[in-house]
Amino acid sequence: AQSVSQHNHHVILSEAASLELGCNYSYGGTVNLFWYVQYPGQHLQLLLKYFSGDPLVKGIKGFEAEFIKSKFSFNLRKPSVQWSDTAEYFCAVNDPPGANNLFFGTGTRLTVIP
Amino acid sequence: DVKVTQSSRYLVKRTGEKVFLECVQDMDHENMFWYRQDPGLGLRLIYFSYDVKMKEKGDIPEGYSVSREKKERFSLILESASTNQTSMYLCASLGTGQAPLHFGNGTRLTVT
Repeated sequence: AQSVSQHNHHVILSEAASLELGCNYSYGGTVNLFWYVQYPGQHLQLLLKYFSGDPLVKGIKGFEAEFIKSKFSFNLRKPSVQWSDTAEYFCAVNDPPGANNLFFGTGTRLTVIP
Repeated sequence: DVKVTQSSRYLVKRTGEKVFLECVQDMDHENMFWYRQDPGLGLRLIYFSYDVKMKEKGDIPEGYSVSREKKERFSLILESASTNQTSMYLCASLGTGQAPLHFGNGTRLTVT
């Protein structure tokens, strides 16, 4: 079965620093990829998704992610983080696309210091 | 906008009790899921259902069962709660085709 790795468990940044969170999946040809965010006390929300086309996808709140098929990666980036970005971030893979399950990574906790 | 509602935000139960966690979605989605979320382990799938009365085991089904009698409602049952089932439980729904999961707010269950 597919597995998803998020190597950063906890990232601490100062405001205005740049962010990159790693996500790698284990194998596959065509996959759908997602980043979800969970703000403190709130439910999981979709941040961005990749289905096909331009491998650089833009999501809400200034986040973007780049799909690199050769590296099985879908890293999340933001050029300048804010205190309000403090949250837990989950990468997920839908394999095959349209299958009725998602494989989630273990999550990365981001703490942004004002 | 899709709404997934979990009936309880917090629950405290005793070891050995039978526990019901309820989830309702309002978008006529075929697929519904129960995950548990634990620090350092991410989200792990317990069970999912792709239609009424249909269910499939996920990665960690032991100690749990589910019920889907109506399309909009998916229940998770802990037959005899144990302390290692203390966790955050998340319900999600998914329509057909390529679409993201929609999550409920979660139920934090503590088993003492």
